[in-house]
Amino acid sequence: DAGVIQSPRHEVTEMGQEVTLRCKPISGHNSLFWYRQTMMRGLELLIYFNNNVPIDDSGMPEDRFSAKMPNASFSTLKIQPSEPRDSAVYFCASSLGGVVKGFQETQYFGPGTRLLVL
Amino acid sequence: GESVGLHLPTLSVQEGDNSIINCAYSNSASDYFIWYKQESGKGPQFIIDIRSNMDKRQGQRVTVLLNKTVKHLSLQIAATQPGDSAVYFCAEGGGFKTIFGAGTRLFVKA
Repeated sequence: DAGVIQSPRHEVTEMGQEVTLRCKPISGHNSLFWYRQTMMRGLELLIYFNNNVPIDDSGMPEDRFSAKMPNASFSTLKIQPSEPRDSAVYFCASSLGGVVKGFQETQYFGPGTRLLVL
Repeated sequence: GESVGLHLPTLSVQEGDNSIINCAYSNSASDYFIWYKQESGKGPQFIIDIRSNMDKRQGQRVTVLLNKTVKHLSLQIAATQPGDSAVYFCAEGGGFKTIFGAGTRLFVKA
């Protein structure tokens, strides 16, 4: 399996521009997670999908952030308008079933998208 | 554990020695714990996990110990190799949400 695929790997944009990050989860996985990683705050969960449905988006910083999962093999995270404080590495992860018997399935992470907003 | 900010704790070990990375977690209700390894420029990679009904679990060259009394988790790496150099995160999970700790940077000296 190719693992979780993310694109682009690097993105440099100017403040105010729209940014779209893409993720293809591992085939057969039912859960998808978007994380943001910064030196200041570490790894933060932004949103979690199960069977393409957003289950918890409480980690999404503000209305400028939105995420979609139109089908089982594709998800996007959009920032509009982007700001310099959004600069971070954004990871997508997927897992087989989300929660099984109260325990979490192992999450498999993509390589991340390194975003720099000038 | 909650992420704590700028400076990661660093552990420096000699190649061939054993490494012990420690982690304190905050939620006594957490019932599942995971160690992840993150190499430079890559996403976190699962190493080993442990359920709260266990106090020890072994993998290949790695052992995780769980002390629920003091809410402490440790990762032991036997015969540390240069390829083990990375940031190691402990994570606690319950339900679908995984809470990642701040991480410890392991540096292996050849």
